[in-house]
Amino acid sequence: EAQVTQNPRYLITVTGKKLTVTCSQNMNHEYMSWYRQDPGLGLRQIYYSMNVEVTDKGDVPEGYKVSRKEKRNFPLILESPSPNQTSLYFCASSIQGTAYEQYFGPGTRLTVT
Amino acid sequence: DAKTTQPPSMDCAEGRAANLPCNHSTISGNEYVYWYRQIHSQGPQYIIHGLKNNETNEMASLIITEDRKSSTLILPHATLRDTAVYYCIVRVAKSNYQLIWGAGTKLIIKP
Repeated sequence: EAQVTQNPRYLITVTGKKLTVTCSQNMNHEYMSWYRQDPGLGLRQIYYSMNVEVTDKGDVPEGYKVSRKEKRNFPLILESPSPNQTSLYFCASSIQGTAYEQYFGPGTRLTVT
Repeated sequence: DAKTTQPPSMDCAEGRAANLPCNHSTISGNEYVYWYRQIHSQGPQYIIHGLKNNETNEMASLIITEDRKSSTLILPHATLRDTAVYYCIVRVAKSNYQLIWGAGTKLIIKP
């Protein structure tokens, strides 16, 4: 089954404790992206990757890092999480960029206290 | 950047056609309109997209006005499972072709 998986699905952590949210897709997609969603708002893009070793900032990259060492994986790293990063996070992938249908993961709900 | 305006909420009776409007009066000639939906807090799901011609797929139809300033997503026979937030999004030609997401329309299908 074609899918995007994210782990963990739920995470409660404390300020300053480094964490990684994993994202993996099994569709051989070149494009992957991370979004965050806050109450009452649409999705805002954090980072995206057009292919292996190619990443770029989205609208809200501050406080986040990403890497794309393999085509299928695109982890999101919070080096020093802060309470304002409490949010619902989605990973997405597509064949080649936003022109094509994006497949979204189930989401990771992160709470930073 | 082109932005979209959607009603915050709408109701529709089960089995009827749901017509969701979207205004994008500042859209540029080469910017596409995309529709996604999000059920509860699940990952958004792609529905359809178009540039200037009407489009139809197994999920929905997209009607874009001739001046491209507005569009309507049509779910022909709404079911309870179509209850979701529907996002009308413009894919901007700059900023690496980002999708600019708004707050969407909460569509409630009533039995």
